[in-house]
Amino acid sequence: AQSVAQPEDQVNVAEGNPLTVKCTYSVSGNPYLFWYVQYPNRGLQFLLKYITGDNLVKGSYGFEAEFNKSQTSFHLKKPSALVSDSALYFCAVSPRNSGNTPLVFGKGTRLSVIA
Amino acid sequence: GAGVSQSPSNKVTEKGKDVELRCDPISGHTALYWYRQSLGQGLEFLIYFQGNSAPDKSGLPSDRFSAERTGGSVSTLTIQRTQQEDSAVYLCASSLKAGGQGKETQYFGPGTRLLVL
Repeated sequence: AQSVAQPEDQVNVAEGNPLTVKCTYSVSGNPYLFWYVQYPNRGLQFLLKYITGDNLVKGSYGFEAEFNKSQTSFHLKKPSALVSDSALYFCAVSPRNSGNTPLVFGKGTRLSVIA
Repeated sequence: GAGVSQSPSNKVTEKGKDVELRCDPISGHTALYWYRQSLGQGLEFLIYFQGNSAPDKSGLPSDRFSAERTGGSVSTLTIQRTQQEDSAVYLCASSLKAGGQGKETQYFGPGTRLLVL
């Protein structure tokens, strides 16, 4: 069965510093990988996904993520954090050749950017 | 265009009552998903529809939970005889097409916040 781990419940970073939100996955075969962000009292917003090709994926709001097959990781990064990036971030996985399956989500990481 | 919409945005009910939660997917999206987000938990898959059929009901937590989708569009999630542990945010998502093999992006609605007293 597939699973996603987000090892940090909370990440604190100063505004202007680079940020990393970690994600590792377990899935048989090659995965599709997603990052979503949730602002307070809002639904999830899609940030980016890895399907195939270049391991570095660029997404919305200046975020990017790198697929690392050997480490089974898909960490989310941003070179310079903004206070407005403070939110709850979810990593999700879907195995290939699985039809329109539900995503399997991590438990989320709360990012706090301090001015 | 319009995104996924859900209603009501908030629902407070008494234990033992039935509730209906509604989801309106993005127009043209054939796949529709229901998830539950409990405090301190991640997202828990409940059920998904491809068109009007639900090939995967494995996530429904008990037989008090049911869902239907009509006309390949609007879906209703019904919880009968609600319990306090049903309190959560219920999220709906839709994605474009069948045969996406898991790579289609799911777009989420704002959720319905359910509180069972």
